[in-house]
Parts: sequence; structure tokens; C-alpha cells
Amino acid sequence: GEDVEQSLFLSVREGDSSVINCTYTDSSSTYLYWYKQEPGAGLQLLTYIFSNMDMKQDQRLTVLLNKKDKHLSLRIADTQTGDSAIYFCAETELSGGYNKLIFGAGTRLAVHP
Amino acid sequence: GAGVSQSPSNKVTEKGKDVELRCDPISGHTALYWYRQSLGQGLEFLIYFQGNSAPDKSGLPSDRFSAERTGGSVSTLTIQRTQQEDSAVYLCASSLDLVPDTQYFGPGTRLTVL
Repeated sequence: GEDVEQSLFLSVREGDSSVINCTYTDSSSTYLYWYKQEPGAGLQLLTYIFSNMDMKQDQRLTVLLNKKDKHLSLRIADTQTGDSAIYFCAETELSGGYNKLIFGAGTRLAVHP
Repeated sequence: GAGVSQSPSNKVTEKGKDVELRCDPISGHTALYWYRQSLGQGLEFLIYFQGNSAPDKSGLPSDRFSAERTGGSVSTLTIQRTQQEDSAVYLCASSLDLVPDTQYFGPGTRLTVL
């Protein structure tokens, strides 16, 4: 089956950049997603990237995609305490006529002063 | 409503009892998904609804788990004869089922089986 892997924990100082990495297996994934989960809440879509792109920037967020290595990263510039959350990477799998999201285990980002 | 809602927010039950978890998706969203999030693990896909039908039930872990959706809206996930390993947060999401697709998640139901 498909598999998405992420490191489980990242700690950064407030104001520094955070880089969260993800590897995926399905080379046919058309879109790759980053979701954010704050404590006690559901997941919220942060951004996505189309598989024929290698970079997408959205304010403080930069997504880099290396399709050859099946590696996706999310960079958060000027990380703030409000960025503390769990970040999930997801690939798409065409399954039974719909695009199924396969999530990684999530990376817990801790931002300290 | 404004977003996806789920009830109850917390459920504590005894092993062997049945539980029902409810999801109210965003109005007009044709697709509805159930996921399970266990401590320290990612989201485990359970089931996908397109309207009232469930073309993908492949994630349901056993025949103790079932789900239905009525009127293309509300969905209930039923777990019969609960076991301790069923303890987890159950998340529901809905979407317009487009590509790319944005799934909107509810806050989840935390199920604890004693």
C-alpha cells in the first residue's frame, strides 16, 4: 500500500524558520497536501502543491517538492508560538474513482521563546 | 452550518457496549469521510461516502464497525461490542469531492473504552 513518512517531532526557537519533511511513495499522486492540527481541533488545510510544480509560496509558507526523490517539505518562515501544532503531509491515491488522501503520522512542531 | 460538527465531543464507554458517533457535514458537501486518529499515529482512513452510498469501506477495521449516511447529509459511525483498542479520536471530514480537494474536518469525538 501507499505510505507517507514524517519525522515525529521538531523544536524551533521563535523567529527561526521551521522545515518539516515528508516522503511519500505514490509517484502518481497528482496533488500533495499539508494540513495543520491545533490541540483539540480537527485538521485544517494549509496548502497543497500540484505534482508538476517544484515550489509553491504562500506568505510565510514555502512548499518544496522533489518528485524524483518523492520528498516534500514545508518551510515556515519567522515561526511564531501560534504555529505550534501537528503538521500532516498527505498524498493522493486514485482509489475507486476518487482521490483518497493518505496521511503521514504528523510532525509535532514546538516553538519556544 | 458554518463547519463540520461532531457529537459527542467525548464518549467514555465500557468494553462490550455499542457506541454511535455522529457527523454533520458542511451543507452541500457531497463527500464525507471518517478517519481514526490513535495516540501518536496518523490518520487512519475508515470509510468514504459519495452522497448516501459508500464506495470505499476498505478502512473499516472489522465487522464491528459500520457507518451510514442519510439524505446525503448526516452520518453515523457505529461501533458494536467496543474493545479497548477502539479508543481513539474519530474524525469526520466533508468536501465537494473536486480535484484538488479540500477536506474540511470536524473537531472529532474522543472515544475511551474502559
